[in-house]
Amino acid sequence: GENVEQHPSTLSVQEGDSAVIKCTYSDSASNYFPWYKQELGKRPQLIIDIRSNVGEKKDQRIAVTLNKTAKHFSLHITETQPEDSAVYFCAASGKGLTFGKGITLSVRP
Amino acid sequence: DTAVSQTPKYLVTQMGNDKSIKCEQNLGHDTMYWYKQDSKKFLKIMFSYNNKELIINETVPNRFSPKSPDKAHLNLHINSLELGDSAVYFCASNRGDSSYEQYFGPGTRLTVT
Repeated sequence: GENVEQHPSTLSVQEGDSAVIKCTYSDSASNYFPWYKQELGKRPQLIIDIRSNVGEKKDQRIAVTLNKTAKHFSLHITETQPEDSAVYFCAASGKGLTFGKGITLSVRP
Repeated sequence: DTAVSQTPKYLVTQMGNDKSIKCEQNLGHDTMYWYKQDSKKFLKIMFSYNNKELIINETVPNRFSPKSPDKAHLNLHINSLELGDSAVYFCASNRGDSSYEQYFGPGTRLTVT
């Protein structure tokens, strides 16, 4: 089955800096790669996604890149703000969604 | 106008009991899911139903039995609860298969004592 690895497990950045979170996947048949943000005590919510026929996608301060050959994809957040502090999950769609273990992003004011 | 709702939000029970969690979506989606999020925040899929039919059944103890009376509802029944079942259980739904955005419910925090 699919295996999704996420690095690092924690990340702390200064407000205004950029944050990059990387994920790798194992199943070359996976074709959909969403990123979810989960605030403490809340449900996961989709922030951006990318399909296998696209290499990059942007939405304001958030961008995702996908390298199908290397089987890795990354989330880029620019001009980070304290409200970006949360747990971020990458996922890959094969047989159902397989999630990475999550990364706790802390943005220091 | 809640999209995906779950009841109850909190569930505290003793080992050996049987309990159910209910999930409803009003988005008109065809597919519904159950996920388990453990204390380390790891999200793992348990089951998926499409139009009331089971399509994903991961390695889950058979004490867990999902039931979908119609495509807007997916309930989770758990028999003989164990300490290790303590977790947050999320219901989710989407249209089509897993390659579309999934909308999550608010979660049910189950604590087994």
